[in-house]
Amino acid sequence: GENVEQHPSTLSVQEGDSAVIKCTYSDSASNYFPWYKQELGKRPQLIIDIRSNVGEKKDQRIAVTLNKTAKHFSLHITETQPEDSAVYFCAATFPSGSARQLTFGSGTQLTVLP
Amino acid sequence: KAGVTQTPRYLIKTRGQQVTLSCSPISGHRSVSWYQQTPGQGLQFLFEYFSETQRNKGNFPGRFSGRQFSNSRSEMNVSTLELGDSALYLCASSLAGTWYEKLFFGSGTQLSVL
Repeated sequence: GENVEQHPSTLSVQEGDSAVIKCTYSDSASNYFPWYKQELGKRPQLIIDIRSNVGEKKDQRIAVTLNKTAKHFSLHITETQPEDSAVYFCAATFPSGSARQLTFGSGTQLTVLP
Repeated sequence: KAGVTQTPRYLIKTRGQQVTLSCSPISGHRSVSWYQQTPGQGLQFLFEYFSETQRNKGNFPGRFSGRQFSNSRSEMNVSTLELGDSALYLCASSLAGTWYEKLFFGSGTQLSVL
C-alpha cells in the first residue's frame, strides 16, 4: 500500500519567517495530495490540496508544490503568524476502484515564536 | 449546517472490554471514514463506508469493525480492548467519498484503555 513520510516532525520558526514541510510518497499512482491543519484540541481541517496534474498551488500565505518524478510534495507557509502554530499533516491518495485510499504522514508540530 | 458529530467525547474502558463509538456525518454526506490518531503516528486509516457498504479497510485487526446505517450515521466497534487501543478516534465525512473530495472531521472520541 501507500506510504507517506513527513519531515520534520517538529519545526520552530520566528514570527514572520517562512516554514517548509516536506512529504514523500511511495505509490506513483497517487494523484491527490491534501494538507490538514490540526490546532491543539481541535479537529483536523483541510488548508490546501493539489492534484497530480498541477505543479504548484497558492492560497494567500500558503502554497503547495508537487514533484511527481521525485514523488514528493511540500507545504510552504510565508510570513508566519502565531496562529499558524499547529500540527500539519500531509496525505496522499490514489483511486481504489470507487473508493478513496487516503494515507497520512505522521505530522509536523509547527511552533511560531513571537 | 451542523458539522460532523462524534459521541461520546471521552471513554475510559478496561482491557478485554468492548466499545462502540458513534459518528453522525454532515447532512447529505454519504461517505464516512474512520481514523485512529496516536502521538507520533499520525492518522491511521481504519475503514470507509458508503451507502451502508464498507468500501475500504485499513491494516487493523478484526477486533475493529464498523457499520453504516441508512441515514449515513456510522458506528465503530472495538472488541477485546488492548492497552494499545488507547487513542483519539476520528471520523470524517464527505459527499460521495471520491478521491479528490475534502474530508470534514469530527472532534473525535478519546478512548483510554486501562
